[in-house]
Amino acid sequence: EAGVVQSPRYKIIEKKQPVAFWCNPISGHNTLYWYRQNLGQGPELLIRYENEEAVDDSQLPKDRFSAERLKGVDSTLKIQPAELGDSAVYLCASSSSLDSPLHFGNGTRLTVT
Amino acid sequence: GNSVTQMEGPVTLSEEAFLTINCTYTATGYPSLFWYVQYPGEGLQLLLKATKADDKGSNKGFEATYRKETTSFHLEKGSVQVSDSAVYFCALSEDNYGQNFVFGPGTRLSVLP
Repeated sequence: EAGVVQSPRYKIIEKKQPVAFWCNPISGHNTLYWYRQNLGQGPELLIRYENEEAVDDSQLPKDRFSAERLKGVDSTLKIQPAELGDSAVYLCASSSSLDSPLHFGNGTRLTVT
Repeated sequence: GNSVTQMEGPVTLSEEAFLTINCTYTATGYPSLFWYVQYPGEGLQLLLKATKADDKGSNKGFEATYRKETTSFHLEKGSVQVSDSAVYFCALSEDNYGQNFVFGPGTRLSVLP
């Protein structure tokens, strides 16, 4: 089966610019996650979707970050405007059910200058 | 709150050496414990897990035993290979299904031929 696909792999932008990341989960996986991984740290959850519904977005900085998962398949994570501290790897993951492991994409490495 | 602590890296070993990566956790409940591995340029992959005290997770020659008395889940392998070079993340989840992870900072392992 195809894995979780993320794009782009790398993105370099200037601060105050907007940026968007895209994720295509494994087919049939209802649960989708966005994580942020700062350099030298483990991933931290930003938001979790069950189908179209965001069921946990408590860690998402809502003043500048937004996410959507239209039709319960692909998802987009947006930052507007970006700040220097947003430089990180943004990981998408999906799972088929509550009793199955997470499958991670390769991530998008964001550099804000 | 819940947290995971791992030994600092990088860890550099010669091929066929014995590997131990220490992991300890703090949790309010009775978590499930996981090891994830991230190979260069790839996403995180589940390596092994344990859901209750004294359980041993194993995969690809790696093992870890859930020690409730010492709140530890140390990763071991008897004979490492160059292909084991990666970053290893210890993680916990309060629910048995691993849906709400807290990751450790990761430990980078380099195995030299």
